[in-house]
Parts: sequence; structure tokens; C-alpha cells
Amino acid sequence: DQQVKQNSPSLSVQEGRISILNCDYTNSMFDYFLWYKKYPAEGPTFLISISSIKDKNEDGRFTVFLNKSAKHLSLHIVPSQPGDSAVYFCAASQDGGTGTASKLTFGTGTRLQVTL
Amino acid sequence: KAGVTQTPRYLIKTRGQQVTLSCSPISGHRSVSWYQQTPGQGLQFLFEYFSETQRNKGNFPGRFSGRQFSNSRSEMNVSTLELGDSALYLCASSLNGQPQHFGDGTRLSIL
Repeated sequence: DQQVKQNSPSLSVQEGRISILNCDYTNSMFDYFLWYKKYPAEGPTFLISISSIKDKNEDGRFTVFLNKSAKHLSLHIVPSQPGDSAVYFCAASQDGGTGTASKLTFGTGTRLQVTL
Repeated sequence: KAGVTQTPRYLIKTRGQQVTLSCSPISGHRSVSWYQQTPGQGLQFLFEYFSETQRNKGNFPGRFSGRQFSNSRSEMNVSTLELGDSALYLCASSLNGQPQHFGDGTRLSIL
């Protein structure tokens, strides 16, 4: 049972435009969500997170939106740059508000390609 | 600041053998988690150690075990290796209340 789903395996966006990556979850107990970026032959790199008490969190070019009623979150990258080309993973956890997120459930990833 | 270090980076074993993977967390991080990444199952949580105690466990058979030392370094052991254990094994460390930071993984191939 896939509790965290990323239904788009790939996404292609032109440089300078907005990239929107989507993630859905089924477990209503999840209360902390994260996005990671992964390059080949490297481990995932933390990008941004959001607690379920918020509906938006912003960090530079990256913004994460959380819609708890729809059990949906999205990552917006504006403007997209060629260096953003990577696989993006959505992850969720039940952390009870501690932000510890020690047991992450990952989605299957979306491969983003930013073209010139 | 040094990141999470995993050794070795690559490993080849045969069925039935056992293997031990090592993870050195970021200095000061006391929580260490292990994940398995395969093409079929994606990234799956194995277990987490905090202050030398297993704090969380995923749905893996008992062949998968781990431990954490007093300096927070962690090892993961897989016994009686099966072909399906071929995967990228990732270690992540964190401070309590902070997101996890991952190492680059150990790629384990079973022949």
C-alpha cells in the first residue's frame, strides 16, 4: 500500500518557468512533510519541509503548499534553473510536532528536467 | 562541516553471505536512520537509532539488524543475503527536531 504517491514520474519545464511537483498521501496521521532532491550517485538532499499546522512554507525559490483536506502537497520552484534537474522525492512522517521526522515514508519520485 | 559518511560505497556479495555497512553521522547528530532504495519498492525505512537504542523499525525481516555506538556511529547488518537485497542502502542523521541529512549510500549487489 503506497501511502505517499507521486503520480507524475517525470516533468519537463523550460528554464525560468515555474515547476510544480505534486504529492498525495493517504495516511491522515502524517503531520510533517518534506521534499528532497536527488542527483544520480548521491544521497537525497533536504530542500524544504512543512508541518501540518501550516499550509505554506517558503524558502527562496522553493515553496511548499499543503492541503490537508485533500491530503495533497505540492512543491513550486520559481524560477526553474537547469541545476534543478534531478529526481524530487516527497516524504511524510508522524512526528507529533517535534519536526524530528525519524521514520520517513517516501513517494516514488518525480524526475524534473529543466530545459534551456 | 562534514556530512554523513557511508562505507563502503560499493559492495558485491553472494547469496547466503552476510554484510555489514557503516555510517558516520554528522558531528553532534544522535539520530541515525537507515533506508533501502530499490527500483521496485523505492525508498523504504529500515530502522532508526537514537542514543544507542532502536527507536523505530520498518517492515523488514529479522535478517536486517543494526546497532549504534556511543559515538553515534551506526552499523547495519544483513545476514543470509538474498538476490532481492541488492539495493542502495542510505543512512541519514539528524538532530532532534531537525530534518534528516543523507549520506551518498552503499550500493550492495548480490550475485
